[in-house]
Amino acid sequence: EAQVTQNPRYLITVTGKKLTVTCSQNMNHEYMSWYRQDPGLGLRQIYYSMNVEVTDKGDVPEGYKVSRKEKRNFPLILESPSPNQTSLYFCASSLYTNDNSPLHFGNGTRLTVT
Amino acid sequence: AQSVSQHNHHVILSEAASLELGCNYSYGGTVNLFWYVQYPGQHLQLLLKYFSGDPLVKGIKGFEAEFIKSKFSFNLRKPSVQWSDTAEYFCAVRNNDMRFGAGTRLTVKP
Repeated sequence: EAQVTQNPRYLITVTGKKLTVTCSQNMNHEYMSWYRQDPGLGLRQIYYSMNVEVTDKGDVPEGYKVSRKEKRNFPLILESPSPNQTSLYFCASSLYTNDNSPLHFGNGTRLTVT
Repeated sequence: AQSVSQHNHHVILSEAASLELGCNYSYGGTVNLFWYVQYPGQHLQLLLKYFSGDPLVKGIKGFEAEFIKSKFSFNLRKPSVQWSDTAEYFCAVRNNDMRFGAGTRLTVKP
């Protein structure tokens, strides 16, 4: 089944403890992206990647890192999480970076930083 | 960079009422426009998209949207809503990367 898989679904951690949220797609998509969703703010893009080894900052990249060593995986890394990073995170992918490709979303990761 | 505005934050309707959700974007070039729906506790799913041709686009579940270039708008419509349409709706514009509006929460009362 074609899908975008994020893990974990739920994560509670403490300030400063490094964590990684994994994202994997099995559709051979070129484009992958991370968003955070907060009430009243919609989805804000954190980082995106147009292909292997190509990553760019979105609107809210501070406090996050990503890597794209392989086409299928695009992990989101929080080196030193803080409470303001408590949010719902979505990974998404699309076949190409051209403009009419819709995004396919993962099921989300709800992160709480205490 | 492109941006998207959704002016209705929360819309409450009774079943069978007609729906129109506003979406305006700001970008001078060619854009590709999308509407996504997020049911409670789920991820975003594509409702419909526009990239060229007929400006009236039909999507899944009876939804449609009209692209009006002169108004930079892409409003979502449905003639008769159902309780199961209760969800959050996001307008998005794509020019390489995808930008989303803040979302409109729709509550349909049975």
